[in-house]
Amino acid sequence: SQQGEEDPQALSIQEGENATMNCSYKTSINNLQWYRQNSGRGLVHLILIRSNEREKHSGRLRVTLDTSKKSSSLLITASRAADTASYFCATDFVNTGGFKTIFGAGTRLFVKA
Amino acid sequence: EPEVTQTPSHQVTQMGQEVILRCVPISNHLYFYWYRQILGQKVEFLVSFYNNEISEKSEIFDDQFSVERPDGSNFTLKIRSTKLEDSAMYFCASMGRKRQETQYFGPGTRLLVL
Repeated sequence: SQQGEEDPQALSIQEGENATMNCSYKTSINNLQWYRQNSGRGLVHLILIRSNEREKHSGRLRVTLDTSKKSSSLLITASRAADTASYFCATDFVNTGGFKTIFGAGTRLFVKA
Repeated sequence: EPEVTQTPSHQVTQMGQEVILRCVPISNHLYFYWYRQILGQKVEFLVSFYNNEISEKSEIFDDQFSVERPDGSNFTLKIRSTKLEDSAMYFCASMGRKRQETQYFGPGTRLLVL
């Protein structure tokens, strides 16, 4: 079954360091999205990368997509304490005409001030 | 900036009761979703909806669940007879006019079934 899985499950770094989170999936996708969630709150969209794209940037965020390895990474550069949150990848795919989005289990990032 | 809204923000209900969770998607969006997140767990896809019909549903979305877009603006999720295990945060999301666009999520409804 289609599933995004992130690693690591948890990551603790010092402010100013870079944080890298990885996501793997199993079947062909249309696009992959990264979301952020603060504890008990809603999901904030970070970046969408399409299946024909390899890299995208948005501010301090850099996302890569390797469709041959069915994996993606999210890099947050120069992290801040405010980046502390859970980060999820979500894969969109079309299945016999329908469409669904599958989220991974997420990486919990803790940035120490 | 347009946003997805959801009501109520919190709902407490007794097991066996019906609940209706409401969502107002972004006005010109065509694709709609419901997800749930049990506390401490990942976000789970429930159902997608397009052109007034269900596009795809997960195994979770059984006969107790239904969705409706009654008036062209609201998008509702109904749980006919709630169970304890339905306690979760329920998120609505909408997406624009093409499939390869960003999904925008509402703030969620926290449902507690007692």
